[in-house]
Amino acid sequence: QKEVEQDPGPLSVPEGAIVSLNCTYSNSAFQYFMWYRQYSRKGPELLMYTYSSGNKEDGRFTAQVDKSSKYISLFIRDSQPSDSATYLCAMSAPNTGNQFYFGTGTSLTVIP
Amino acid sequence: NAGVMQNPRHLVRRRGQEARLRCSPMKGHSHVYWYRQLPEEGLKFMVYLQKENIIDESGMPKERFSAEFPKEGPSILRIQQVVRGDSAAYFCASSPQTGSGELFFGEGSRLTVL
Repeated sequence: QKEVEQDPGPLSVPEGAIVSLNCTYSNSAFQYFMWYRQYSRKGPELLMYTYSSGNKEDGRFTAQVDKSSKYISLFIRDSQPSDSATYLCAMSAPNTGNQFYFGTGTSLTVIP
Repeated sequence: NAGVMQNPRHLVRRRGQEARLRCSPMKGHSHVYWYRQLPEEGLKFMVYLQKENIIDESGMPKERFSAEFPKEGPSILRIQQVVRGDSAAYFCASSPQTGSGELFFGEGSRLTVL
């Protein structure tokens, strides 16, 4: 079983839609949860960073962590064509040698 | 711009040559990671370094690949005797401290082996 599972998509939505991206994980020791956005032929850009459980909101983006279900989500409200990218989830645990575990990424296209 | 700087952005090598990829972490960051990404695939961890120390190289192929992060200067990922299968994007990332959970990436170095 992979440490982190992420549906690769592709996901295609109309402009203005609410997008939901998700990852599941198996290691209950994970405490740090990140979402990255990667445009084609660019480096991953850190979008959201959450420690432990709960929600975090930043503009049109909301990150949710449900540790009891080992499930994290990223919601994008009022999606824009500029949101078209691959979204990667990542997580890590304290005292594990600083290993970061990445999902394979979900490809999102927002259609104008 | 105080972001993670990688160079070269694009590198073409013939089979059997050596490739050297450089990474300067963000200012104040002392932890460097190297990842490899193949088209349509996720990021694969290769190596984690601190200044003058390799902390975890469990993702690094045993042969032909090496990495260093000297006291002065950038981190270097070195691939000797490149083969076509080494063609990929190599990303460097840095973090400010152990266990912070925040990882910042450079724009990557794209290696093409002819």
